[in-house]
Amino acid sequence: SQQGEEDPQALSIQEGENATMNCSYKTSINNLQWYRQNSGRGLVHLILIRSNEREKHSGRLRVTLDTSKKSSSLLITASRAADTASYFCATDALNDMRFGAGTRLTVKP
Amino acid sequence: EPEVTQTPSHQVTQMGQEVILRCVPISNHLYFYWYRQILGQKVEFLVSFYNNEISEKSEIFDDQFSVERPDGSNFTLKIRSTKLEDSAMYFCASSEGVGTVYGYTFGSGTRLTVV
Repeated sequence: SQQGEEDPQALSIQEGENATMNCSYKTSINNLQWYRQNSGRGLVHLILIRSNEREKHSGRLRVTLDTSKKSSSLLITASRAADTASYFCATDALNDMRFGAGTRLTVKP
Repeated sequence: EPEVTQTPSHQVTQMGQEVILRCVPISNHLYFYWYRQILGQKVEFLVSFYNNEISEKSEIFDDQFSVERPDGSNFTLKIRSTKLEDSAMYFCASSEGVGTVYGYTFGSGTRLTVV
């Protein structure tokens, strides 16, 4: 399966701290995407990193990709209570994506 | 910013009934998708659609399911004879090109409850 698997399953931090979530996958990919989901709501695309990229930034988000280890990490710096959500990595599979089970991030004010 | 719109936001239906979930993708997007998420579980791919036909479907997408683009703007998912285990959030997504290259835009989802 090309599904990404996130680690940890749940993460609880204080506002202002950094949050790091990891994703591992099994087979070669063209790119990897991170999505955010607020409880019971839609998925929001955060960032796409291609297989030939090693790092990408978007605001407070930093994503790394290590294709040799088949892993990616999402770092959220200076977290805020509003960052509380589930974060999913998704890897491509032909013309669609497969999602991992997600990391549930709770940022306490 | 362009959005993918899904209606209704919540649908309750009796077991055995047919439901149609509706989506309006972003107007210049060419690829369309349905995903579902059973409460507390991972997001699962159902089907992708391009050029008025199914590109790929998962093992979940059996004969009970069908998709259609009845006009130039809507993209629908029909579930015939719903079962209790069909209760889930159903997400529509669209992409400008092949989504794994361009990224996807998701709708806010339809919560389907089968009773």
